[in-house]
Amino acid sequence: EAQVTQNPRYLITVTGKKLTVTCSQNMNHEYMSWYRQDPGLGLRQIYYSMNVEVTDKGDVPEGYKVSRKEKRNFPLILESPSPNQTSLYFCASSSTSNHQDGYQETQYFGPGTRLLVL
Amino acid sequence: RKEVEQDPGPFNVPEGATVAFNCTYSNSASQSFFWYRQDCRKEPKLLMSVYSSGNEDGRFTAQLNRASQYISLLIRDSKLSDSATYLCVVGDMEYGNKLVFGAGTILRVKS
Repeated sequence: EAQVTQNPRYLITVTGKKLTVTCSQNMNHEYMSWYRQDPGLGLRQIYYSMNVEVTDKGDVPEGYKVSRKEKRNFPLILESPSPNQTSLYFCASSSTSNHQDGYQETQYFGPGTRLLVL
Repeated sequence: RKEVEQDPGPFNVPEGATVAFNCTYSNSASQSFFWYRQDCRKEPKLLMSVYSSGNEDGRFTAQLNRASQYISLLIRDSKLSDSATYLCVVGDMEYGNKLVFGAGTILRVKS
């Protein structure tokens, strides 16, 4: 089954304690990204990766790190979490194909990770 | 100004009603447009892409007006199962498939 998996699904931690949220996809997609979702703000992109060893900042990268050593995995690292990083996090991977009227892109999301930083 | 703006709703409609959502985007260079559906803070799922020629998928019709930078979604014959948050999404291929999400419009269909 084609899917994006994330772990953990729920996490409560304390300020300053390093954590990693894993993300893995089995669809051989080149493009992967991380988003956070907060009430009233929609999904905001944290980091993205266009291929192995190629990562770039999204709109809200401060306080986060990522790595892309393998095509299927794209972990999100919070070196020193703070309460303002309490949020719902989604990992996604995508494929793109051409349509006569434009790009047909399907972004597949993981189930989400609810993070609470105390 | 937000890059993608939507009316947050909620839209409360009876079963069988027709409901329309609108969305505006600020980047005139945007090249791809989508509607995603999100249930109860679960992961968003692609509902449909939006093309300049307009497209229809069953009870759902999407329209794009590039001149006005405006996207719409029409749902006919609403079902209880249509209750969800609908996200307007705009893509910019120049930045490597970067997608910008609206905050979403809440739809509640009631019997």
